[in-house]
Amino acid sequence: AIHLAQSPSSLSASIGDRVVITCRASQDVNIGLTWYQHKPGKTPKVLIYDASILESGVPSRFSGSGSGTDFTLTISSLQPEDFATYYCQEFTGDRFTFGPGTKVDFK
Amino acid sequence: QVQLVESGGGVVQPGKSLRLSCLASGYSFRSYGMQWVRQAPGKGLEWVAVLWYDESRSYYADSVKGRFSISRDISKNTLYLQMNNLRLDDTAVYFCGRDSGVRSSRLDNWGPGTQVTVSS
Repeated sequence: AIHLAQSPSSLSASIGDRVVITCRASQDVNIGLTWYQHKPGKTPKVLIYDASILESGVPSRFSGSGSGTDFTLTISSLQPEDFATYYCQEFTGDRFTFGPGTKVDFK
Repeated sequence: QVQLVESGGGVVQPGKSLRLSCLASGYSFRSYGMQWVRQAPGKGLEWVAVLWYDESRSYYADSVKGRFSISRDISKNTLYLQMNNLRLDDTAVYFCGRDSGVRSSRLDNWGPGTQVTVSS
């Protein structure tokens, strides 16, 4: 089974900061990588799919990149509504494993 | 408007069974794959199971394989998760999600979740 590692596990940032979260897969997942945002009491929201495609309605300050085993989620200018936990999820045909999450909170 | 609503959660003893349902509306239920995802208290998201849009394939997380079964009834627009031989560590909020992805998972709609508590 593929293992996903996210770093950092948590970070503190300020409004306007550029935030970068990485997700590393233990095996090649090609571009089968999705990023979600999850806030307490809400359902997760897809941000990026196919590693780099922005989901409709998601602000353009979110971007994704990578392929194979190394991926990044970038928030170009952190906004108040972006404080949340971010998860990557891989797809290799028979597994859809989530990463452990990265919690972004206010510095 | 796409809507997913889970039901069937509750408190159950270890070793017992429970069946969760996910009622879908607002879209063509038969045209999309579906996933179950859970979140234990204080933990992250954990993928549980997937059913392909045409029911040709279903897969399970290692933690539930052999105990859980995913299925659907198109006539009722309902997805199911049959959970047998429940364990204490199955305690979680269970979400169903519509998968719009092709080359990756893309859970673009989620239900609000249903709580499952396994306790003696």
